[in-house]
Amino acid sequence: EAGVAQSPRYKIIEKRQSVAFWCNPISGHATLYWYQQILGQGPKLLIQFQNNGVVDDSQLPKDRFSAERLKGVDSTLKIQPAKLEDSAVYLCASSWGQGPLEQYFGPGTRLTVT
Amino acid sequence: KQEVTQIPAALSVPEGENLVLNCSFTDSAIYNLQWFRQDPGKGLTSLLLIQSSQREQTSGRLNASLDKSSGRSTLYIAASQPGDSATYLCAVFSSSNTGKLIFGQGTTLQVKP
Repeated sequence: EAGVAQSPRYKIIEKRQSVAFWCNPISGHATLYWYQQILGQGPKLLIQFQNNGVVDDSQLPKDRFSAERLKGVDSTLKIQPAKLEDSAVYLCASSWGQGPLEQYFGPGTRLTVT
Repeated sequence: KQEVTQIPAALSVPEGENLVLNCSFTDSAIYNLQWFRQDPGKGLTSLLLIQSSQREQTSGRLNASLDKSSGRSTLYIAASQPGDSATYLCAVFSSSNTGKLIFGQGTTLQVKP
């Protein structure tokens, strides 16, 4: 069974530029999550989708971050404009349903903002 | 507000030693708890998920326990190997309606040959 796929794996941009990350969850998983992991910290949930609807985006900085999951499968996370403090690893995870179910993570995208 | 703490932040042991990693949470009203492993530059690998009604869960050389009343979970690793070197993260589910995980900062383990 293929795992969660993410691309790109690494990205370096200058502040005020925009960037987008892509995630493809495990086949059949209805729930998709985006987490931000700053160096030395545990991941923090940014947004959770159930199919193509948003369940929780309370910690998403909506003035600069946006995410979509139009067809209920793949998802993209965008940052525009980026700030230095956005430097982090962006992790995508999926689970088969909503609720406290086991989550499976992708390899992450390491973003460096200079 | 739920907070998860892992102590120690780093641990170094000789190969073959049995060890315990600790995780504590401030609000005992959790649902499930999940332990992960993270290798440098990689994503998270799920190790064990303990349901809120369970006291412990085992997988190979790993055993995780959960004591909701005291707000604690431990991950026991038997007969540690150099390949166990990684950062171990615990995370709690604080809601029955969403899958939001609240993570600790992790314990970085080094097993020396």
